This record gives sequence, C-alpha cells and structure tokens, in this order.
Amino acid sequence: GAVVSQHPSRVICKSGTSVKIECRSLDFQATTMFWYRQFPKQSLMLMATSNEGSKATYEQGVEKDKFLINHASLTLSTLTVTSAHPEDSSFYICSARSGGGSVEQFFGPGTRLTVL
Amino acid sequence: KQEVTQIPAALSVPEGENLVLNCSFTDSAIYNLQWFRQDPGKGLTSLLLIQSSQREQTSGRLNASLDKSSGRSTLYIAASQPGDSATYLCAVASGAGSYQLTFGKGTKLSVIP
Repeated sequence: GAVVSQHPSRVICKSGTSVKIECRSLDFQATTMFWYRQFPKQSLMLMATSNEGSKATYEQGVEKDKFLINHASLTLSTLTVTSAHPEDSSFYICSARSGGGSVEQFFGPGTRLTVL
Repeated sequence: KQEVTQIPAALSVPEGENLVLNCSFTDSAIYNLQWFRQDPGKGLTSLLLIQSSQREQTSGRLNASLDKSSGRSTLYIAASQPGDSATYLCAVASGAGSYQLTFGKGTKLSVIP
C-alpha cells in the first residue's frame, strides 16, 4: 500500500513554456502533499506544502507565482512550472501524507525536468 | 531551523564489509527519523523509519539507531553487497503541524565486488 505516482517521469521543454507535473496517491487519501526539488549531487529541498482544498505554503525563496501548486482533491496535487528557464531544470519529487495522526510521507518516483 | 548533516559524503568499501553511515541533526525535537535509498536518477526508497520514542529499527541486513538527545543516528549495513551501491539519505520529521522532512545531503556508497 501507500503508493504515490508522478507523471510525467521525464519532460523536456523550451524556455518560456509552462510544464505541469502531477502527483497522485493511488491507494490512500492524502490530506497533505509536499513538493521537493533536487539539484545534481544535492539533497532534497522542500519547496512547498499543500493541504487539500487550501492554498499551498511555500518555503522561503520559492516563488509562488512561478511554481503554482494545486491540491484540489485528496488524491491529486499538481505543480506547474510557469515560464520555465534553464535554471529550473531539476528533479522534482512529491510526497504525500495521509494525516489522521500519521506523520510518515510516501514519495513519488520523481520527474526530471530539462529546460532548453 | 533544523539542519541535517551526513558523514561521510562518499564511501567505498569492498564487498562483504560491514559499514556505518552517520547522520546528525541540530534540533532534537523530532517526530521521527527516516533513512532512504536513492539510486541514480530515481526516486526515494524508504529503508527504515524510527519514531522519536524508539532507539533502533532493523530490517534484514540494515539496522538504524537513534539517539535523539544527542541528535545522532547511524545506519549499519552488514555484509555489504554490490547491489547496496546507492546514495543513502537521512531525513528528520519536525515542525508543528506539517511534520516537514529535512534531508541531509546523503552518503554515496560504492560496494566494490
């Protein structure tokens, strides 16, 4: 149980375009989802925390207008990178937590974004 | 602000050796500590999760310990195998309400056949 999927697994886009990444909890309801970014040879850095039905909370230094997060249902959160630039190229990983007293996060397989 | 440090950054051992990976964190007010494995270009595989009230967890050849008061955890891998080669990440859950995970930079392990 506790499977989280991400789509797409890999995306290449031109500079200036927008890219949407989906994160789904397949067998549980995720009251909270997290989005992380990982640059080469670096660790995961939390970008934002989203609770179903409310606005995401962004970490310091993360532009909310550039990284749009929607958590409209208990099984789906989306991250949209707007007007992507080469410096946005990174590995994006989501995780989900079921709530109800559980603090464990379950991670998706990640999405490799390359902006040309 | 929680900070997590992992030492060493990289480790190379011959197959069959036992090894220890270290993780330290600055704020002892944690809910749990988790060890993950990450293969190149892949997502995270959870290995062991230790609740703040626990001292250790074991799974097969892996044993993780937690000393919350001193802000330390170790991951012990017995009889290492080439398939154990990966980056091992330590993460602590803290922060009221959201239980955010703070990750270390990882230890890249290479097990030489």
